[in-house]
Amino acid sequence: DTAVSQTPKYLVTQMGNDKSIKCEQNLGHDTMYWYKQDSKKFLKIMFSYNNKELIINETVPNRFSPKSPDKAHLNLHINSLELGDSAVYFCASSQDRGTVNYNEQFFGPGTRLTVL
Amino acid sequence: EDKVVQSPLSLVVHEGDTVTLNCSYEVTNFRSLLWYKQEKKAPTFLFMLTSSGIEKKSGRLSSILDKKELFSILNITATQTGDSAVYLCAVPIQGAQKLVFGQGTRLTINP
Repeated sequence: DTAVSQTPKYLVTQMGNDKSIKCEQNLGHDTMYWYKQDSKKFLKIMFSYNNKELIINETVPNRFSPKSPDKAHLNLHINSLELGDSAVYFCASSQDRGTVNYNEQFFGPGTRLTVL
Repeated sequence: EDKVVQSPLSLVVHEGDTVTLNCSYEVTNFRSLLWYKQEKKAPTFLFMLTSSGIEKKSGRLSSILDKKELFSILNITATQTGDSAVYLCAVPIQGAQKLVFGQGTRLTINP
């Protein structure tokens, strides 16, 4: 019955590898997000998709590429992993993109990525 | 640049104490401020504040917003060990869905 789920929960990999994190929401929401939380717990938005359309694209290296096959899924692919990519990555979703009023975002459990 | 700053960054108190967490912001087109609690995993929503001076309350937690001085406080009374968590403050910007988070306050409640 998980609302926002992510796989895997933990990912340990070597520098230079390519990896993907998957996110799925069963809330019927239109908008999904990827956040990165560093070791100091600072949570920062990376991307947002609304109905498969990219609407927020922060200053993120182009090694990071989000893909939304449908509005219930938003995957994050990372090429040529670097040590600084080690962090917890959170997926979130909201009812819609909230152009006037904020729509509550529901967060997934996070994926802890460790790059060695 | 839009900014959200929380203080203190870390706080350690004894069970039963009352704590006040602070969040100040500088954003354009302010509409609302959010508080989240993050234990081991995902942040969970606590409050959304839109109007100055109106307290939001949920059990032992309460929060208030001051739009003139650009800050909010989160109060927790009669703290319990289960209140130990990182508390995050965030402000939506750019058409309401981009959240700018503060650094968080790590609260530790000792028995």
